Amino acid sequence: EVHLVESGGGLVQSGGSLRLSCAASGFTFSGYAMNWVRQAPGKGLEWVSGISGSGDNTYYADSVKGRFTISRANSRNMLYLQMNSLRAEDSARYYCVRDPFGDYYFDNWGQGTLVAVSS
Amino acid sequence: DIVMTQSPDSLAVSLGERATISCESSQSVLYYSNNKNSLAWYQQKPGQPPKLLIYWASTRESGVPDRFSGSGSGTDFTLTISSLQAEDVAVYYCQQYYSTPFTFGPGTKVDIK
Repeated sequence: EVHLVESGGGLVQSGGSLRLSCAASGFTFSGYAMNWVRQAPGKGLEWVSGISGSGDNTYYADSVKGRFTISRANSRNMLYLQMNSLRAEDSARYYCVRDPFGDYYFDNWGQGTLVAVSS
Repeated sequence: DIVMTQSPDSLAVSLGERATISCESSQSVLYYSNNKNSLAWYQQKPGQPPKLLIYWASTRESGVPDRFSGSGSGTDFTLTISSLQAEDVAVYYCQQYYSTPFTFGPGTKVDIK
């Protein structure tokens, strides 16, 4: 069974940094593209960033480009999101999601980790 | 960016009746190379992460009840719940994966009448 467990969220001041982690299990991690999708409280879904299975290719939403960095450690089945220069509008629950075939729809979601940025 | 819109914002349907949700993309999401529409549907229940229901506009994810179906092509898509059950109360989102950034619709809330 696929398990995705996020961690690293918390309260941070505007301009600060956080590093989110996602521990994956139940599948061959290196064979799958992975993504981060966020959801502000009471709001809809926003795709944030994606990374290929090898880690060679990364993609970002314009709203986070230049501030966030996605990476992965396939030997440890881990996905990361380094978030710098955080803004109030980055406050959201961040979900780690699996892309089953590299097409960028998402078949498995973690429970998410909550990020709150205070201004 | 491709903008996704959904209608209605919310709907209430009697148990056992049909629920229909529409999703429109600002440009076509049809891949001519494989003749498939890059459109997915998700269900999100309160306090839970989203769950994939449908991909390629009409392919049901494994384990999803067959009362859920997707249709449409190009820019206009529909999610149909043929016979609404109590456990279907949720917010439903469409998502295009034709081009980055991969965008979601604003969601449609489905309740029991």
